[in-house]
Amino acid sequence: SQTIHQWPATLVQPVGSPLSLECTVEGTSNPNLYWYRQAAGRGLQLLFYSVGIGQISSEVPQNLSASRPQDRQFILSSKKLLLSDSGFYLCAWEPGPREQYFGPGTRLTVT
Amino acid sequence: SQKIEQNSEALNIQEGKTATLTCNYTNYSPAYLQWYRQDPGRGPVFLLLIRENEKEKRKERLKVTFDTTLKQSLFHITASQPADSATYLCALVKERDTGRRALTFGSGTRLQVQP
Repeated sequence: SQTIHQWPATLVQPVGSPLSLECTVEGTSNPNLYWYRQAAGRGLQLLFYSVGIGQISSEVPQNLSASRPQDRQFILSSKKLLLSDSGFYLCAWEPGPREQYFGPGTRLTVT
Repeated sequence: SQKIEQNSEALNIQEGKTATLTCNYTNYSPAYLQWYRQDPGRGPVFLLLIRENEKEKRKERLKVTFDTTLKQSLFHITASQPADSATYLCALVKERDTGRRALTFGSGTRLQVQP
């Protein structure tokens, strides 16, 4: 069966520091992968999605970037965090044009 | 601009009653619509998908309707239980014909089922 992992689970970082969040999927190959952010009490905002290695589409221009170095690995990065980057970051995978399966999320607090 | 609207106010109902949640959208022509459940501090969990040519879909105590004329989906939970308390999100494919399957989510409606 398929499993999606995210780490770390929680993170507290100062403004201006770098960020790297990792997402890996097991039990499937060539999945579509997604990064979302959810601010407190808000809906999910799509940040990036990827249909294959090295293929990244950005939905919202900002100081975040994403990379897909391997088929089942999706990384979210920032060179310098802003206070507004705080939120709940969710990775999801999609086997086809159907439902998405979400990871456990990373709670990021920028201080 | 494209919009997905869900009632931001919490829905409080008594155990055993039917909960009905609404999802309205504008400026979309979605091929399908999805509903997810999200518990606090957790990622959303997929519940149901309904296609544009389907009027209704059922799964156990859940029922979803999809009216493309009204641009609305209704999500029903019959015989509701306190364990059904959660936030429910609807989601649409943002662009129908370009091959991009990125979902756009509504902000969700919180359901509270009182024992």
